[in-house]
Order: sequence, then structure tokens, then C-alpha cells
Amino acid sequence: AQTVTQSQPEMSVQEAETVTLSCTYDTSESDYYLFWYKQPPSRQMILVIRQEAYKQQNATENRFSVNFQKAAKSFSLKISDSQLGDAAMYFCASFSGTYKYIFGTGTRLKVLA
Amino acid sequence: GAVVSQHPSRVICKSGTSVKIECRSLDFQATTMFWYRQFPKQSLMLMATSNEGSKATYEQGVEKDKFLINHASLTLSTLTVTSAHPEDSSFYICSAGLGDTGELFFGEGSRLTVL
Repeated sequence: AQTVTQSQPEMSVQEAETVTLSCTYDTSESDYYLFWYKQPPSRQMILVIRQEAYKQQNATENRFSVNFQKAAKSFSLKISDSQLGDAAMYFCASFSGTYKYIFGTGTRLKVLA
Repeated sequence: GAVVSQHPSRVICKSGTSVKIECRSLDFQATTMFWYRQFPKQSLMLMATSNEGSKATYEQGVEKDKFLINHASLTLSTLTVTSAHPEDSSFYICSAGLGDTGELFFGEGSRLTVL
């Protein structure tokens, strides 16, 4: 069975500091994608970053980067220079097959001014 | 990026009535849309996969007669909560994928409150 685990229900970070959100997953698929989605208080979820499993290079999107450890099935998200607007629920997700998504339970990120 | 819009964003209804929620892909065609339910401070639970022109595929434990899904066109899927009860109160979110990237585009969500 495919699973996605986020072991941190809640995290806090000081504005301008760096925070890392953890995610582990399990899948029997050889081809899959991993995602981090952000759900702000307005509730519409948006994509933060995507990683193709076949790519060794870690994905980066501006202040957001991932540490993808395929052998360890780990996919953490690093947010640098945290901003107040980064406060949200963050969901890690895996995708394979016909849009078969598995979401983690989420990590609530608080950004302290 | 692609845009998915949901309507209404909030709805309050009486127990026993039916409520329809619409999900539209505004700038792309979506042969497949997904309906999720989200409980407070919890993750998204996939309810069903909506397929244009065919019956929806429901996840285990989801009552198909309770949650009617219709995907009549390439840009519109609807979720109808029939004979709603207070336990159906929740946040319902639709999404659609575009291309082979795996990325999902989400609607704004619909908060249903059944009195």
C-alpha cells in the first residue's frame, strides 16, 4: 500500500529564518512524483514544488527546496527566509498511475514576526 | 497555471435537503476531476473520481447514492449531497489534473453546514 507520513503536526519558524518540514513515503511504484502543496487560511490549495522520482537533482523553486532521499523514501521541504505569507498547512503527496494521489496528514506552519 | 473554480464557497442547508456543488475548469478541459472531503485539521480524503461521460468511481466507504457525482461536460463536474444530515457537514474540495505532470489544480473548496 502507498502511504505518505508527515510526523510534524505543527511547526513554528521565526520570520526570515529557515524551516524544514519532514515527509516520508512508501510506494511500490517505480515511476512516481512527489509534491508539496500549501493550503493557506483562504483554503485553496496550491502547488509549492514537485519532484520527479527519476530525477536525482533536488527540485528548487525560489525560497523552497526539497531534500529527496529516494533510498530512504524521504522528501522534506525546506523554506528559506520564511515570510508571514508562508503560514499555512503544508501537505506532502505522492502520485503514480492514473492520478492516484496519496496525501499526508499535513503540517501546520506558523511564522512568527 | 490552470484554474479550477468551485461554487458555492459556503452553503447552509436544513437536514433532509439536497445540496449541489459545482466544480469548473475555467481554462482547460478536464476529463477527470476528483472530489475530496476534508475534516477540520485533517488531510484530504478522496471521495470519488469523476469521469466525463461515464459513471464516477467511488472510494471504499463512500455512499454513491448519498454523494451523487455528474461530469456532464469537459469543464464541469457536480457533487450533490442528497438528504443531507449534520454529519455531512464538512469542507468539500474538487480538483483536476492537466497533462502528465501529475500536478493537481484545486478549487476554492465548499463549506457545507447542515443544520
